Amino acid sequence: DAGVIQSPRHEVTEMGQEVTLRCKPISGHDYLFWYRQTMMRGLELLIYFNNNVPIDDSGMPEDRFSAKMPNASFSTLKIQPSEPRDSAVYFCASSFGVLNTDTQYFGPGTRLTVL
Amino acid sequence: AQSVSQHNHHVILSEAASLELGCNYSYGGTVNLFWYVQYPGQHLQLLLKYFSGDPLVKGIKGFEAEFIKSKFSFNLRKPSVQWSDTAEYFCAVNGWGDDKIIFGKGTRLHILP
Repeated sequence: DAGVIQSPRHEVTEMGQEVTLRCKPISGHDYLFWYRQTMMRGLELLIYFNNNVPIDDSGMPEDRFSAKMPNASFSTLKIQPSEPRDSAVYFCASSFGVLNTDTQYFGPGTRLTVL
Repeated sequence: AQSVSQHNHHVILSEAASLELGCNYSYGGTVNLFWYVQYPGQHLQLLLKYFSGDPLVKGIKGFEAEFIKSKFSFNLRKPSVQWSDTAEYFCAVNGWGDDKIIFGKGTRLHILP
């Protein structure tokens, strides 16, 4: 298995532009998580899906952030408009079943820089 | 609300030194506990996990962690570190039956050759 796949690996954009991050979970996994990692705040959970349905988006910082999972093999995290404070590494992770019995597998992350 | 506190933000050790990274959590019920490692330029990988049973958990690469329920702690240990252990280490907690993992802010470990 190729593991969790994220694209792009690096993104540099200017303030005000729309940014779309993509994730392909491990095949067969029914949970998908989006995290943001910064030096100041560490690793924060933004939103997670179960069977393509958003379950908890309380970690999404504001309305500029949105996430979708149109099918079991693809999810997007969109920032519109982007701001310099959105600069961070964004990780996607997936798992099969609840965390009592399984492990989250992380993708390589997307390093976002907003100028 | 769940929270995880990692006491050391940055640790520097020489090779062969012993390691202990502190982790305390806050949660009112049964928990699952994790340590993840992020090597430079790589993604997070599971180092070890505690779900139930023996509170002393052994993971990959010679790491172990002990769950002390009375202290709400899950400290990570390794008797003799290697240069290749240079990485960032994250402690995490999951409330039993909950879907989410809450991560600590991480500890950067730097091993001097």
